[in-house]
Amino acid sequence: DAKTTQPNSMESNEEEPVHLPCNHSTISGTDYIHWYRQLPSQGPEYVIHGLTSNVNNRMASLAIAEDRKSSTLILHRATLRDAAVYYCILRPHTGTYKYIFGTGTRLKVLA
Amino acid sequence: ETGVTQSPTHLIKTRGQQVTLRCSSQSGHNTVSWYQQALGQGPQFIFQYYREEENGRGNFPPRFSGLQFPNYSSELNVNALELDDSALYLCASSFKWAGELFFGEGSRLTVL
Repeated sequence: DAKTTQPNSMESNEEEPVHLPCNHSTISGTDYIHWYRQLPSQGPEYVIHGLTSNVNNRMASLAIAEDRKSSTLILHRATLRDAAVYYCILRPHTGTYKYIFGTGTRLKVLA
Repeated sequence: ETGVTQSPTHLIKTRGQQVTLRCSSQSGHNTVSWYQQALGQGPQFIFQYYREEENGRGNFPPRFSGLQFPNYSSELNVNALELDDSALYLCASSFKWAGELFFGEGSRLTVL
């Protein structure tokens, strides 16, 4: 199973952009890059996913390196509600669609 | 549209006992996955059910078993409970096995 590496924790000031990095040097050509986040006392929730091109949705943007060995989740304006653990996950395109969660990045947002 | 609901939210068992956790999937979803999350760790995949059949399994012993019903709800059964089984058990549903996962809030199991 391909593995991801993320910093254990990051801090951001409220209303500033946040860039959460993820390294996945063993990614295969058919692995999708998914991001989920887990707010305190809740189950994880989907944030965004992509394959090769950068992606935007109402929650965030996903920037994928050209060689696909790293990606960055971008929160354009962090709010206190964005304080959570963010997981970067590689999901195979075929076979069992299990998600391999690492320990994620704990984001702290300062008021 | 109702989301994923799990029951019970909290429970305490003793070593050697058996437990059944329940999950109602989101409307329109036919796939259910179960994850175990120990304190301070990311969720670990237990297994997935698609159309009432097990569709994949993680590195968990056979005493972890599951069922999916015709209405796509699901159960996770754990026999011969061990202290290390203490964790948050998360159910996630999706439309087909490749879809975005929608998680419930989990069932927190404590084994004494």
